[in-house]
Parts: sequence; structure tokens; C-alpha cells
Amino acid sequence: QKEVEQDPGPLSVPEGAIVSLNCTYSNSAFQYFMWYRQYSRKGPELLMYTYSSGNKEDGRFTAQVDKSSKYISLFIRDSQPSDSATYLCAMSRILTGGGNKLTFGTGTQLKVEL
Amino acid sequence: KAGVTQTPRYLIKTRGQQVTLSCSPISGHRSVSWYQQTPGQGLQFLFEYFSETQRNKGNFPGRFSGRQFSNSRSEMNVSTLELGDSALYLCASSIGEGQPQHFGDGTRLSIL
Repeated sequence: QKEVEQDPGPLSVPEGAIVSLNCTYSNSAFQYFMWYRQYSRKGPELLMYTYSSGNKEDGRFTAQVDKSSKYISLFIRDSQPSDSATYLCAMSRILTGGGNKLTFGTGTQLKVEL
Repeated sequence: KAGVTQTPRYLIKTRGQQVTLSCSPISGHRSVSWYQQTPGQGLQFLFEYFSETQRNKGNFPGRFSGRQFSNSRSEMNVSTLELGDSALYLCASSIGEGQPQHFGDGTRLSIL
């Protein structure tokens, strides 16, 4: 079983829809939770970064972390065709010797149609 | 502020050769991490460097190695290339532990 599970999609929604993307994880030691967006032939771009449980909002994006359920979500409001990309969840914890490594989900491919 | 820069963007090599990839982190970032991205395995952690020292290592064979210079720039080397090494190699930098990592656009390595 993978440490981080994410539905690969593809997910297709009409323009203006609310998109919900989710990840579950098994390692309760994870403390930091991120969402990245990756366009074709580009590197992952950081969208949201949260520490521990709670909600964080940035423009059309809202990230939620529920550590008790080991579940994180990303909501995109008023979705646009430019949001069409692969969305990757990532998590990390401070390692014994210091530093951090990210553990990623497989990514969800999103297409927003006109 | 310039982002993470990776060179070259594309590389084609044959089996048995070796390759060196380069990464320049965001100015002021001292931690550099490397990841391998493939369609089958997704993004997997290779190693992390901080202040010229390898601080963490993923589950990759010893053919994969790296180093970091005093200006925080980092290189990754893969020796005795295998077909399965074909992947997008991504570099990420951060200010320090617990801080977000920012990625470059990667080097796409193809092994023939």
C-alpha cells in the first residue's frame, strides 16, 4: 500500500464548476501538506502549503487538512480552462537527521472544458 | 526573483553511459532535493543536500549520486545508464526544513 493515495482521474468538469481533489495517507507523522499543479512539460508549481490540520484559502483555491481522518482536499472555485493540469498532493515531516523529503500522490489529471 | 534553473532541459544517452545534471536553486535557498518522475512510479525522492552535505537519501541504487557546491548549486550524476532510468529529473530548493520546496522544470533524460 502506498503512503499517499490519490485518484489519478482523469477528471473532466465544465468551466465555472467547483472542483474537489483529494488525497488520503497512512503515515500519521506527516506534518506539512502541499498541493502542486503541473502543466505538461513543466515542473510542479506550488499552489498551497499548510501545516497540520485546518483550512487555508488563497483566491479561488482552498486547502483542507483533516489529520484525524488522514485526508486532505483541494477545492477550486469557478474553474477555468487554464486550470487544466495535473494536481499533485505532497506531504512531509521533519526527518531525524534534519531536512525533509516530499512524498507525493500519483496526481489527478484535471480538464476544464468550455 | 529567479526560480530554480535546471540544465540541460533534454538529454539523450545510450545504455552504459553516464550523465550529469545541473541545478541552480533560488537565491538564498540552501536545501536542494532531487526527484525522479516517471509515468509508472510518479515522483520519487532521490536525495537532499544542505550546506554541501547529503542529508537524506531515497531508495535508489548507488549509480545515482549527487553533490552540492558552496554556492548551493547542485549536480546529480547517474552512471552506467539503464533503459529504466528514462525519466524527468526534477530539482527543488527550499530555505530549510519545514519550508516549502520549489521546483525547476526538470531535465528529461531518454535512454536509447
